[in-house]
Amino acid sequence: GESVGLHLPTLSVQEGDNSIINCAYSNSASDYFIWYKQESGKGPQFIIDIRSNMDKRQGQRVTVLLNKTVKHLSLQIAATQPGDSAVYFCAENMDNRLAFGKGNQVVVIP
Amino acid sequence: DAGITQSPRYKITETGRQVTLMCHQTWSHSYMFWYRQDLGHGLRLIYYSAAADITDKGEVPDGYVVSRSKTENFPLTLESATRSQTSVYFCASSPSSYNSPLHFGNGTRLTVT
Repeated sequence: GESVGLHLPTLSVQEGDNSIINCAYSNSASDYFIWYKQESGKGPQFIIDIRSNMDKRQGQRVTVLLNKTVKHLSLQIAATQPGDSAVYFCAENMDNRLAFGKGNQVVVIP
Repeated sequence: DAGITQSPRYKITETGRQVTLMCHQTWSHSYMFWYRQDLGHGLRLIYYSAAADITDKGEVPDGYVVSRSKTENFPLTLESATRSQTSVYFCASSPSSYNSPLHFGNGTRLTVT
């Protein structure tokens, strides 16, 4: 079975609000995590990554939080915009290979 | 424009036919990967390559063949296509196998009739 998963299948967010997308992982030895965004008809696009020696990392309008105690990863998107509507999925590095979660649809309501 | 290019974008083929999906990257990344994406399964690794002339199986390699004679190209061949191989195929590249994000192409949607 998959070791990476997402809690919510679909997240509807009002434009301008903050979005939080969650991801659980099961391999405590995983030491590198990535968030991807995938728009319809396109390939996954790298958003942000974090190594296990960090708890938080910020990018442009995005923040990734890593809680190794409960093996949980989250992506926060500030001031969500219509262009943020996409599928988001996390990936973890296990044995030098990335294992991907199935994805979580984010729908931004104008 | 630098990046990773897949061709064709769409392909319809018949069961039993051979079909090759092309992947070209301009970053000179050492590592290249082929994934398939299906509803309910997410991205599954088919094959990957650490360098020219070095390839290895991923999670779901059966029915597929790859080659890598040049660093920039990594074609994927379905020797005898089956309906179960109907999927969206993504090629990706990375400078390293460890702690480095993959950069994906825009995919090839393959339909096997």
